[in-house]
Amino acid sequence: QSVLTQPPSASGTPGQRVTISCSGSSSNIGIKTVNWYQQLPGTAPKLLIYSNNQRPSGVPDRFSGSKSGASASLAISGLQSDDEADYYCATWDDSLNGPVFGGGTKLTV
Amino acid sequence: EVQLVQSGAEVKKPGESLRISCKGSGYSFTNYWITWVRQMPGKGLEWMGRIDPSDSHTNYSPSFQGHVTISADKSIGTAYLQWSSLRASDTAMYHCARLIDSSGYYWGRWFDPWGQGTLVTVSS
Repeated sequence: QSVLTQPPSASGTPGQRVTISCSGSSSNIGIKTVNWYQQLPGTAPKLLIYSNNQRPSGVPDRFSGSKSGASASLAISGLQSDDEADYYCATWDDSLNGPVFGGGTKLTV
Repeated sequence: EVQLVQSGAEVKKPGESLRISCKGSGYSFTNYWITWVRQMPGKGLEWMGRIDPSDSHTNYSPSFQGHVTISADKSIGTAYLQWSSLRASDTAMYHCARLIDSSGYYWGRWFDPWGQGTLVTVSS
């Protein structure tokens, strides 16, 4: 049982826009920033979004993040087949002194 | 280029010991914590613990405390994850990642980059 709740799966067709939700609580997402990681099949996770809505250099602007209260969302517009991956949200937990992850969402295009 | 390079896949028997490594390059190794994350087959990411390479201070997740040891050798820019007695349930991919701790305008803590992962298989 993950601390952060994500839907196990999401799907879309090429060109569509999809969103993936991440639900937490007032003790984690409610007071911390949220990050998103993309894990392409057979590869290591990669930072996709940091500090709720910032994209690292090289990440297309088709990817965007947002946060409201104790929930966060990742939006992917102009869906491409290369976007098929697992997506994980994460935030910091002060009591754990470490990160907590969502269970991951498998995106099918 | 900032990168973390992990040691290769391992196949071990239950009860055996193991140490895997994560070597950082392209940045000042002692300026950033290194974290370890477990990913069991077909499952999600689980945080195991982290180490400050400058003084080897560690934090462990309660789920892994006592079963693994995280260490670092700052002279060679390498962090380690170690088991003294492996179990079949330790079969997983293990990732290391560099912790970014930002207090600036875009604040928070995130992991970037990640190592390529080390597959550990424990089977009799």
